[in-house]
Amino acid sequence: GEDVEQSLFLSVREGDSSVINCTYTDSSSTYLYWYKQEPGAGLQLLTYIFSNMDMKQDQRLTVLLNKKDKHLSLRIADTQTGDSAIYFCASPKRAAGGYQKVTFGIGTKLQVIP
Amino acid sequence: DADVTQTPRNRITKTGKRIMLECSQTKGHDRMYWYRQDPGLGLRLIYYSFDVKDINKGEISDGYSVSRQAQAKFSLSLESAIPNQTALYFCATRGGTIGELFFGEGSRLTVL
Repeated sequence: GEDVEQSLFLSVREGDSSVINCTYTDSSSTYLYWYKQEPGAGLQLLTYIFSNMDMKQDQRLTVLLNKKDKHLSLRIADTQTGDSAIYFCASPKRAAGGYQKVTFGIGTKLQVIP
Repeated sequence: DADVTQTPRNRITKTGKRIMLECSQTKGHDRMYWYRQDPGLGLRLIYYSFDVKDINKGEISDGYSVSRQAQAKFSLSLESAIPNQTALYFCATRGGTIGELFFGEGSRLTVL
């Protein structure tokens, strides 16, 4: 969706780092999420970051958040062929009635070359 | 067993036919969603429901309707299917400490 933007495709060599970027518009989000979709499957939560954090590290994953620029990134260290998937950035957005609904980017397809 | 179950997983139908996609969940969440996934367009929200009596249109609700039969069940209907409704459809629930979405495995619909 246009409220969350990310690039369509990224190709990296096995063992290199991958960086997937995302920009969002709604600054009311308490959390921002990264979802992973493997071929033929639904989306699963990969990681998330609380909006008052700048960085979160979880094993090979590093999430960076720049609230001023509304920019979120996901870094995968030592990328493996099993990391080949589509990665979605997601941001809750305030809807009518004060509720939040989650808006997704178009998804970045990560291709890992052996 | 999956927490969010969608049926059917695959369906091929003809233009003009009525189709229903069903979703059931065991997460106990009040919030349920229907998304549509198209290549290059990502996920787009069709309808969402915050409880049995609260149903809301998403970005692309035209041509679709929904029914929230119970807290655990949320179905999506295409009253008269058309070819540009060919897509992968996902049901999801939302809840937990961080408001995570839990997705079903998807229903692939092809309209000829």
